[in-house]
Formats: sequence, structure tokens, C-alpha cells
Amino acid sequence: DGGITQSPKYLFRKEGQNVTLSCEQNLNHDAMYWYRQDPGQGLRLIYYSQIVNDFQKGDIAEGYSVSREKKESFPLTVTSAQKNPTAFYLCASSIDPVMNTEAFFGQGTRLTVV
Amino acid sequence: DAKTTQPPSMDCAEGRAANLPCNHSTISGNEYVYWYRQIHSQGPQYIIHGLKNNETNEMASLIITEDRKSSTLILPHATLRDTAVYYCIVRVALIQGAQKLVFGQGTRLTINP
Repeated sequence: DGGITQSPKYLFRKEGQNVTLSCEQNLNHDAMYWYRQDPGQGLRLIYYSQIVNDFQKGDIAEGYSVSREKKESFPLTVTSAQKNPTAFYLCASSIDPVMNTEAFFGQGTRLTVV
Repeated sequence: DAKTTQPPSMDCAEGRAANLPCNHSTISGNEYVYWYRQIHSQGPQYIIHGLKNNETNEMASLIITEDRKSSTLILPHATLRDTAVYYCIVRVALIQGAQKLVFGQGTRLTINP
């Protein structure tokens, strides 16, 4: 089954610690995205990648880092510099970053800082 | 930089058509309108998208006005499983030609038995 997988579903982190969220897709998509969602709000773009070994900051990149060493993987690290990291994180992919095709979303990781 | 406006909530009776409106008065000529829905604590699910012509698929129909300043998503026979937050989205161009989906706060649709 083709799809996009995020893990873990729930994650707890102590303040001051870095944590990495996993996102894997087997759809052979070039473009991948990370969004953040806060309660009652829409999604905001953190980082995106159009192709392997390339990525760009989105609207709220401060305190986050990413890598794109493989086409199928786009992990997001929430660093200790992120002031308010508790949120629902969503990863998405699309076949092409420019063409008007739909994006597919993972089921999300809910991060809680304790 | 949300470019769409939707009512915050709507109700619809089960079995009836649900019509969800969206205003996108500043949409550019080459920007598509997308609809996604999100069931609580899950990732958004793609529904449909269009540019200027009306579109239909197995999930829904999308009616776009001739001036493209507004659109309506139609769920023809709503079921309880259609209860979700529905997002009307315009794809916004980023640098280097990439595009992003700009999410507003969406419409919380409740289907009542």
C-alpha cells in the first residue's frame, strides 16, 4: 500500500531536549512538507523540500530543522530553541512541487512538552 | 496570508446535500482552489480541486463562479462520517516555483441524524 507514514503518533519531550519526528513516503513523490497545527487553527508551513538534498524554510521555521538525504524521508527536528513546541505536526508529500496535484498527508504526530 | 474566507461552522441533516461556501476574491488567474477535510486528530484528506470549470468526483462536486471569486463544495448525500472540518485552500506560489497550501480556519461541518 502506498502512503505517507509518520511516527510516532504521540511524543512527549522534556523542556530543553531536541526531538526528531519521522516522515516516510513510498509514493515516489518529489516534494515533501512539514506543517504545524495548533488547537482550533489551520495548518502553518514549517519547511518544504522540492527535491532530494534541497529544502526551504516555510512561514514558521524558527526552532526547527530538517534534512532530505533520501527521496522517501523528510525528518523534522524540533530543537530546544522552539519556544512553544507543543502542537500537532503533519507531514505531506506531492508528486511535483509545481504542478497542481493534490498533496497527501500523514496521520500526524502530537508532540507534548512536559 | 490565508486567501480564503469560510463560515466557521455549519449543520446539515443526514441524507441531505451539504453546501459549503468559500470566498477567494483575491485569487489569481492561475491559482487553483483545493478542498480538504480533517477529521479530528487525523491528517487532512484531499477532496477535490479546480481552476475555473466545475468539477465532480466520487466524493463531491466543486462549483466555481464565473469570476472565480467564490466556490461551493457540495457533498450530495451527507452521512455522519462526513462530520469534519472542511478547508478551502488556494495554492500560493513560493520561491523557485514551488507551491504551498495556505490553510485558513475552515468550516466545521456537523451532520445531524
